[in-house]
Amino acid sequence: DQQVKQNSPSLSVQEGRISILNCDYTNSMFDYFLWYKKYPAEGPTFLISISSIKDKNEDGRFTVFLNKSAKHLSLHIVPSQPGDSAVYFCAASEQRAGSARQLTFGSGTQLTVLP
Amino acid sequence: EAEVAQSPRYKITEKSQAVAFWCDPISGHATLYWYRQILGQGPELLVQFQDESVVDDSQLPKDRFSAERLKGVDSTLKIQPAELGDSAMYLCASSSAFGRGLWETQYFGPGTRLLVL
Repeated sequence: DQQVKQNSPSLSVQEGRISILNCDYTNSMFDYFLWYKKYPAEGPTFLISISSIKDKNEDGRFTVFLNKSAKHLSLHIVPSQPGDSAVYFCAASEQRAGSARQLTFGSGTQLTVLP
Repeated sequence: EAEVAQSPRYKITEKSQAVAFWCDPISGHATLYWYRQILGQGPELLVQFQDESVVDDSQLPKDRFSAERLKGVDSTLKIQPAELGDSAMYLCASSSAFGRGLWETQYFGPGTRLLVL
């Protein structure tokens, strides 16, 4: 049972336009959400995060939006650049008694930014 | 900038053989994670350490997989015997988080790509 879902395996966008990547979750105990970016032959790198007490977080060209009632979050990249081409993973975390938090990942979306 | 180190980067083995992966987390990071990522899927947690103690290995196939972090620093993940379905990327991550509470970013290593023939 997938608790974090990324229903679009791939997305192509023209350079300079907006990229919107979507993610849905089912576990209402998740209270922290993250996006990781992964290039081939490398490990995932942290991109941006949002706490459940917020509905928006912005960092440069990257903005994450959280809609708790819909259990939905999205990552906006504006403007998109060819170097943004990578697999983007949505991840979620909940508090765990007595130990550090864990991440539950979605299956990823391959973003291709066309020059 | 400190990084998580993993070796080897690639491993090809035959089924029924034993394989081992090594991870050196960022210095001072108390929490270490091993993930498995199958092609087309997201990383899935196999085991979580806090210092030298296992805090969660509920997803680790214990009949063939084992993990240790003897001195609370570097860690080894072993598979014996390897099966065809074990072909995947094995990722190690670490964070400075200790115990319950606020989020601390997990930093990932480059991974070990395993191919079982």
